[in-house]
Amino acid sequence: GEDVEQSLFLSVREGDSSVINCTYTDSSSTYLYWYKQEPGAGLQLLTYIFSNMDMKQDQRLTVLLNKKDKHLSLRIADTQTGDSAIYFCAERAERDDKIIFGKGTRLHILP
Amino acid sequence: KAGVTQTPRYLIKTRGQQVTLSCSPISGHRSVSWYQQTPGQGLQFLFEYFSETQRNKGNFPGRFSGRQFSNSRSEMNVSTLELGDSALYLCASSLDGQGGTEAFFGQGTRLTVV
Repeated sequence: GEDVEQSLFLSVREGDSSVINCTYTDSSSTYLYWYKQEPGAGLQLLTYIFSNMDMKQDQRLTVLLNKKDKHLSLRIADTQTGDSAIYFCAERAERDDKIIFGKGTRLHILP
Repeated sequence: KAGVTQTPRYLIKTRGQQVTLSCSPISGHRSVSWYQQTPGQGLQFLFEYFSETQRNKGNFPGRFSGRQFSNSRSEMNVSTLELGDSALYLCASSLDGQGGTEAFFGQGTRLTVV
């Protein structure tokens, strides 16, 4: 079945890089997404990658996709206090177009 | 351009009641999806509407239903509320709901069932 797994917590020092990892099970996934949720807010799409890409970079964000291992990662360079949030990995399956979310990784920034 | 608007923001209901939540998508967007977010289960897909038709459905019981109007506004209804229905209900709108199209989320309706 469809499943997206990610670790629940990550602590990083301000200024360091954060790497949030995600694994998924559906090999027919076409798009993979990273969303950010700040307290009391809805979800904000940070970036997405199409399944035939290995890497996508957007300013401080780098997404790496290993399709063979069904592993997706989000690297945030020079992590700032404003990056403190819950980050959700999500996949969209080709066969039914549904978006399946992981349970989210809470990123905590240490001073 | 106004964002996705969900009303009400907060709601308290008692078990057995029914509730209707509303979502107004971004102007021009035709796809509206609904999600339930709980601490234990995370974000779970409820259903997606496109041009007034339910295009996709998650694994929720029939107590959860929805509809979409000709102006793309969508409502979801939960009947015979249970304590476990307490959650943040999020709505997302996109132009056409297709893969690379960005989905914009509303701030959600926090439903508490007592």
